[in-house]
Amino acid sequence: GPKVLQIPSHQIIDMGQMVTLNCDPVSNHLYFYWYKQILGQQMEFLVNFYNGKVMEKSKLFKDQFSVERPDGSYFTLKIQPTALEDSAVYFCASSRGGENTQYFGPGTRLLVL
Amino acid sequence: GQQVQQSPASLVLQEGENAELQCNFSSTATQLQWFYQSPGGSLVSLLSNPSGTKHTGRLTSTTVTKERRSSLHISSSQTTDSGTYLCAIDHNTNTGKLTFGDGTVLTVKP
Repeated sequence: GPKVLQIPSHQIIDMGQMVTLNCDPVSNHLYFYWYKQILGQQMEFLVNFYNGKVMEKSKLFKDQFSVERPDGSYFTLKIQPTALEDSAVYFCASSRGGENTQYFGPGTRLLVL
Repeated sequence: GQQVQQSPASLVLQEGENAELQCNFSSTATQLQWFYQSPGGSLVSLLSNPSGTKHTGRLTSTTVTKERRSSLHISSSQTTDSGTYLCAIDHNTNTGKLTFGDGTVLTVKP
């Protein structure tokens, strides 16, 4: 099926530093998403993004988080500054439309020390 | 808030047996997806099935929208089917905001 790529696969950083997670969505998809999964816990929606704008964000999407997709390049999630509770696996997803099947990337495992 | 409940929480089968997984949700779903999450954590979309019945390979999903429930049937289970099966719902937003259940952990023994 369609592939979503995520870079890096793993990231370890010190608390307070900035981190950028990169997502290469399916080429003809227009909707993009970030989800967060803490080890052993439920997958949770963070944010969705369409036409250059955030459409909806959850309470987990703190002020330190931001997303963008400049000029059709990577869809990125930036956390600045990071906190210990940001340690999790972050999954990117994309879909053709808001009501269509979402395809997920393999995740970026973020560890904040 | 919106809730997605999956049952059973865990299931152990012998290879070749069939599995029936359930997903119940608290409000109308405009999108419903079943996912497989491997022991390593990667997520694979299995089926999108907001209503009716869909088949792919050994998988069959039946969603009864009015009753707010969906099932995933796995026939002739294999050891490689072991992992976590997640049900996710878009509760009438059409913006793709998926709410996930806690999953069913399936173990298939040889």
